Amino acid sequence: AQTVTQSQPEMSVQEAETVTLSCTYDTSESDYYLFWYKQPPSRQMILVIRQEAYKQQNATENRFSVNFQKAAKSFSLKISDSQLGDAAMYFCAYIRDSNYQLIWGAGTKLIIKP
Amino acid sequence: DSGVTQTPKHLITATGQRVTLRCSPRSGDLSVYWYQQSLDQGLQFLIQYYNGEERAKGNILERFSAQQFPDLHSELNLSSLELGDSALYFCASSVGLAGLQETQYFGPGTRLLVL
Repeated sequence: AQTVTQSQPEMSVQEAETVTLSCTYDTSESDYYLFWYKQPPSRQMILVIRQEAYKQQNATENRFSVNFQKAAKSFSLKISDSQLGDAAMYFCAYIRDSNYQLIWGAGTKLIIKP
Repeated sequence: DSGVTQTPKHLITATGQRVTLRCSPRSGDLSVYWYQQSLDQGLQFLIQYYNGEERAKGNILERFSAQQFPDLHSELNLSSLELGDSALYFCASSVGLAGLQETQYFGPGTRLLVL
């Protein structure tokens, strides 16, 4: 079965510090895309960052970066200089070739302490 | 704002009833996806349409059905509603079957409460 595991139900970090959210996935595919989505209290689902599996270079979007370890099937999200607006649920997801379905993790709730 | 619109934002109904959720994709997007998010859980893929045709089916109950119209908007029909159907229903859209590089953009969701 294709699965995505986020082992941290909840994380907290002091404002301005750095936090890393972990994600592992299980797939037999060789080509796929990985995503981190953010869901703030408004419940809107917002794309944070995405990574192409065939690219070795880790994706970066401003304060957000990923550590993609393909062999280990690991895809962690690092948030630098955490801000109060970063408080949200963060979901890891991947999409595979066969049917373009997004497979989702259970989410990590990120709390930012002022 | 993702450009994907969903109506209504909130819906309260009773068990046994039928409701219709509506989604308008981003301008130019041909694919529409429906997801269900139960309380404090991840999203479950329900169904995907591409240019009016069903392309993929996930964990969609037989009591649920969907369609995509010629103007590309989509409707998700939920019938014989049960308490457990209470959830947030998301619609997402993408350009089309261009491959894995497509990003799905999500609407604000419809919160359904079945009493």
